[in-house]
Amino acid sequence: NAGVTQTPKFQVLKTGQSMTLQCAQDMNHEYMSWYRQDPGMGLRLIHYSVGAGITDQGEVPNGYNVSRSTTEDFPLRLLSAAPSQTSVYFCASKGTNYGYTFGSGTRLTVV
Amino acid sequence: TQLLEQSPQFLSIQEGENLTVYCNSSSVFSSLQWYRQEPGEGPVLLVTVVTGGEVKKLKRLTFQFGDARKDSSLHITAAQPGDTGLYLCAGGAGGTSYGKLTFGQGTILTVHP
Repeated sequence: NAGVTQTPKFQVLKTGQSMTLQCAQDMNHEYMSWYRQDPGMGLRLIHYSVGAGITDQGEVPNGYNVSRSTTEDFPLRLLSAAPSQTSVYFCASKGTNYGYTFGSGTRLTVV
Repeated sequence: TQLLEQSPQFLSIQEGENLTVYCNSSSVFSSLQWYRQEPGEGPVLLVTVVTGGEVKKLKRLTFQFGDARKDSSLHITAAQPGDTGLYLCAGGAGGTSYGKLTFGQGTILTVHP
């Protein structure tokens, strides 16, 4: 029972590079979200999806892109990495219950 | 934008002491969730409260949702070193924003033996 799987676990990027953070869930959950976590700021919502083909912006969407072509996958794309995007990124999913299941995170450093 | 103010940000106590963590907002939430996070891992759901005035207990942890569904508290009785971690409250939006969570800043709890 894998739950929510995020890859990679660690990544170092140079300013201006692009990359995709992968997220997959095997629980047939409709809702999926991406958060970033920075010290003293809790988790902030980047993008959010209520089902395949439907996405919406969260609190801090600038510089990030998402798509949801299948129920299982919800990749997060960094278009042109900036040092301000250095953070820990979490993907989460939920079904009919209220609570979310989180992945173990991707620690991203932009130099 | 809905905001959740969580306090205190840091809590350092001795084993056996009691503690309370608060989450407050001026917004009404459809649910209030509490998560616990260990270093290097994602948050793990502890409990969800959905009804104003609701109280839920999980062993030594007691969770309460305010009558107006704008605030919540987590009370730990006789804290143990195993309770050490980051505690996060999160408010669930309703209506067309159902499924969106707003997190508080988190409380880092350290329980000393």
